[in-house]
Amino acid sequence: DVKVTQSSRYLVKRTGEKVFLECVQDMDHENMFWYRQDPGLGLRLIYFSYDVKMKEKGDIPEGYSVSREKKERFSLILESASTNQTSMYLCASSPWDRVTDTQYFGPGTRLTVL
Amino acid sequence: DQQVKQNSPSLSVQEGRISILNCDYTNSMFDYFLWYKKYPAEGPTFLISISSIKDKNEDGRFTVFLNKSAKHLSLHIVPSQPGDSAVYFCAAKGETSGSRLTFGEGTQLTVNP
Repeated sequence: DVKVTQSSRYLVKRTGEKVFLECVQDMDHENMFWYRQDPGLGLRLIYFSYDVKMKEKGDIPEGYSVSREKKERFSLILESASTNQTSMYLCASSPWDRVTDTQYFGPGTRLTVL
Repeated sequence: DQQVKQNSPSLSVQEGRISILNCDYTNSMFDYFLWYKKYPAEGPTFLISISSIKDKNEDGRFTVFLNKSAKHLSLHIVPSQPGDSAVYFCAAKGETSGSRLTFGEGTQLTVNP
């Protein structure tokens, strides 16, 4: 069974703080993704990575950065948290692209920025 | 530019009846479609998928139909059960998007006992 874990289920931070969200997967997947989920907007891709030290911008990368130093770990960084970054953050992983691959999600981190 | 749209934010059905969730897409390069289910405070879990070379895929109570000419897919759940109450996301990918999925907004399904 694929397991994707996220460092925190709930997080409360103040405006301007630097925030780290960590994600770890145990299935040796090449691809990892960070999404945010907001009501009425679905899942929006922030960043993804297809290999160690590789990263690609998703649809909404502004205000975020990522780090992938090891294959199993993908970190999302909010350099200076703002209230509009209050959201549910979801990490996912998938094996290298083939027609039928699918993404496996972690439980999510509910981030509140005050 | 919402390339995958789920126009119904919510759907309510009676236990035992059919649930039909709809999804439309605009990108003709999409060739693989997936449905995910999400319970509150959990991550989405994969439910069922369909390739563009098929028009139907069935897995137990779940069937996905694809109408390529209309750029429309639907998820049928028969019979619906209270445990099916969740948010359902439609997702799509194409040859040029690699492993990247484009998700719809989601539909909240409520199955009433």
